[in-house]
Amino acid sequence: AQKVTQAQTEISVVEKEDVTLDCVYETRDTTYYLFWYKQPPSGELVFLIRRNSFDEQNEISGRYSWNFQKSTSSFNFTITASQVVDSAVYFCALIENNAGNMLTFGGGTRLMVKP
Amino acid sequence: GAGVSQSPSNKVTEKGKDVELRCDPISGHTALYWYRQRLGQGLEFLIYFQGNSAPDKSGLPSDRFSAERTGESVSTLTIQRTQQEDSAVYLCASSGTSGGAPYNEQFFGPGTRLTVL
Repeated sequence: AQKVTQAQTEISVVEKEDVTLDCVYETRDTTYYLFWYKQPPSGELVFLIRRNSFDEQNEISGRYSWNFQKSTSSFNFTITASQVVDSAVYFCALIENNAGNMLTFGGGTRLMVKP
Repeated sequence: GAGVSQSPSNKVTEKGKDVELRCDPISGHTALYWYRQRLGQGLEFLIYFQGNSAPDKSGLPSDRFSAERTGESVSTLTIQRTQQEDSAVYLCASSGTSGGAPYNEQFFGPGTRLTVL
């Protein structure tokens, strides 16, 4: 069965520091999709990125970047020059192609960025 | 355009009572999902509707939980004989799909916070 692990339950950084959120996944499927969502204090989940298993190219979007490595089953998320507004809970999630369309979420990492 | 909406935003009920939670998906989205988020935890999948296909109920924790969806519109999640362990935020999401493809972004509603006393 699929599983997503976010070992870091809570991270605290000072503004302008870089921070990496780890995500490790388990799946038996060869085709799968990985996601990151942000949940700010307001509670609503905000989609950040989707990757499919055939595309290992790293992606950068402004201060955000993602490192997908199939060899280590990891999909890590880095925020460069963190800001207070980045404070939120971040969830990594997985959809297996042959197991329905539901997201399997990791437990989340709470990021606190202090001024 | 309007996002996913859910009502009520908060619900407090007594143990043993039934509750109904409502979700209005984004117009035109064929897929609708219910998830549960217990305090300080990740989201757990409950049920998934795709068009007119039979729903995937594999995540429902017990037979006290059920959900319905009318066509490709509103869905209601019903919890019968609520228990204290049912206390959680119930989140609804919708997505547009092409041929049932699972990779489309799921847009989440603000959730309903359920408290069972």
